[in-house]
Parts: sequence; C-alpha cells; structure tokens
Amino acid sequence: EIVMTQSPATLSVSPGERATLSCRASQSVSSNLAWYQQKPGQAPRLLIYGASTRATGFPARFSGSGSGTEFTLTISSLQSEDFAVYYCQQYITWPWTFGQGTKVEIK
Amino acid sequence: EVQLVESGGGLVQPGGSLRVSCAASGFTFSSNWMSWVRQAPGKGLEWVATIKQDGSEKYYVDSVKGRFTISRDNAKNSLSLQMNSLRAEDTAVYYCARGWGRSDYWGQGTLVTVSS
Repeated sequence: EIVMTQSPATLSVSPGERATLSCRASQSVSSNLAWYQQKPGQAPRLLIYGASTRATGFPARFSGSGSGTEFTLTISSLQSEDFAVYYCQQYITWPWTFGQGTKVEIK
Repeated sequence: EVQLVESGGGLVQPGGSLRVSCAASGFTFSSNWMSWVRQAPGKGLEWVATIKQDGSEKYYVDSVKGRFTISRDNAKNSLSLQMNSLRAEDTAVYYCARGWGRSDYWGQGTLVTVSS
C-alpha cells in the first residue's frame, strides 16, 4: 500500500496570504494525484486531479504541482471560503490512499 | 445535475449486518466506475471499495475483504454496499462517489455506527 504523508497537519494563515500544502508518497505515483477540499459537515470536493488540473468550479488561485513522490497545493491568496481540510490521494495503485489531511485555519 | 443520495445507515451491533445504498441521477450511471469511501468520526478518508461499469471487476481495501460486498444495479441506477461481521472500527460516514481513481462527485454520506 502506498502511504501518503501530508504536512503540516495544521496551517494557520491570514486572509489574503499564500498557503502552501505538501504531500509526499512512499513510492512514485507519477501524476496520479488528486487533492480534495472538505468543509465541516460536507462531503469532500475534488479540487485538483492529474497533480495539476483544476476541477470544475474552483478558481485560479488554487494550483497543484509535482510528480513522482512530491506534490504541492498552493492557494495564492486565501479567501474566507478556503478555510477547510485538504486531502491528497493517489490513484496509481489500488488501494487508492489518502493523506491524513491538512487543516487550513484562520490565523 | 449529478446527484448521489445515500441511505440505509444506522446503529448496528458488533457482528451484525447492514446494507447501505446510493441512488444516482443526472448522469449515465452505467458508464461510470463507482465507489464507497468512508470517514470515521473526526478522522480522515479511506477508500473502501470500487466497482466497474458492468460489475465485472470489484476491488476492496484489505480491512473489509471477505466482509463487505459492493454491487450495482444499472437498470435502477443504484449502488450498494453489503456489510457483514461489522466491527466497531467500521463506524463511519459512508460516501458514494463516482469515478475511477479520483472521484468528481460525492454524495452527502450515511452514518453507520457499530456499537452495543
């Protein structure tokens, strides 16, 4: 099983600032990497797939990068609606596995 | 509009069984892989099972193999998860999700609680 490790566990950011979230895979997943956003009491929403393709409905301030074992999700200027938990997930090898999540909270 | 609506969750005793279902609408159900993903209270996400469009391929996470069965009825646009020999660690919100590998649509989930 591929282990996904996210850092940091919690990120405190002021509105308007940049947020950088990291995700590391225990072995190469190529670009088979997705990011999800989850707000309290809601289902996850697909945010990024293929490591860098933004899903429908998300603005350009969200961007994904990386390949192999190291990935980054960047939110260029945090808005109030962006405070949430973000999960990375690999889908190159079954079982698909998620990282433990990064909570982005208001500083 | 794509909709996935789960049902069937509830309280069940350890060792018991439960079947959760997902009603799909707004897309061609028979053309999509479908999955169940769960989230224990206050915890992260775990992909539980996934099924091919025609039901000919099914994959399970090791922790549920031999206990859970994923199935689908394309005529009724319905996905199911039969859960047997339930354990306390199976307590979670169970989400129905569309797609192979990464899921672009999710239901709101149904809570399964395993407790005596």
